[in-house]
Amino acid sequence: TQLLEQSPQFLSIQEGENLTVYCNSSSVFSSLQWYRQEPGEGPVLLVTVVTGGEVKKLKRLTFQFGDARKDSSLHITAAQPGDTGLYLCAGGNTPLVFGKGTRLSVIA
Amino acid sequence: NAGVMQNPRHLVRRRGQEARLRCSPMKGHSHVYWYRQLPEEGLKFMVYLQKENIIDESGMPKERFSAEFPKEGPSILRIQQVVRGDSAAYFCASSPITGTGGTDTQYFGPGTRLTVL
Repeated sequence: TQLLEQSPQFLSIQEGENLTVYCNSSSVFSSLQWYRQEPGEGPVLLVTVVTGGEVKKLKRLTFQFGDARKDSSLHITAAQPGDTGLYLCAGGNTPLVFGKGTRLSVIA
Repeated sequence: NAGVMQNPRHLVRRRGQEARLRCSPMKGHSHVYWYRQLPEEGLKFMVYLQKENIIDESGMPKERFSAEFPKEGPSILRIQQVVRGDSAAYFCASSPITGTGGTDTQYFGPGTRLTVL
């Protein structure tokens, strides 16, 4: 069974700080996806990483896929209150396997 | 282009009743997935359907739960004789491809929050 472990589980930071959250597995994934979910809503896709070592940037968010395609990280620069939410990683095999998420709270 | 639609958004049922959750995929998508999310948990896969076919139901409880995706109309997740433990958020996602050998991008609906009293 493929598992994705996300850390930290909870993170509370001040506006303007930088942060990194992690998604790790012992399994190789053909791709990894990052989603953000806000309370009462469904997950919204942020990015898909496919190639080992790949780095993708989305404004202040930087996503990296590990060389061995077993792990990924999400780095947020100068966090803002609008970044608050649950960040989920998911393995790109069918069916998708989700981690439990990192719940981020950015305090103004 | 409308996104994935789910209704109802909130559903309250008493123990023993039936719950029917509906999902209309994005236009042009023929693959539908259902997930369940408990509080403070990630999403757990339940079932994967194409039109008129169940492709993978490995995450579906063996009893009381069923799903369909008819040729016409939305996909339906049906829970018979609901119990309190069925209370959760149920999300539907759709994709245009199977993901075989490639990237499986799934787009999620807003979910149905089921409360069993």
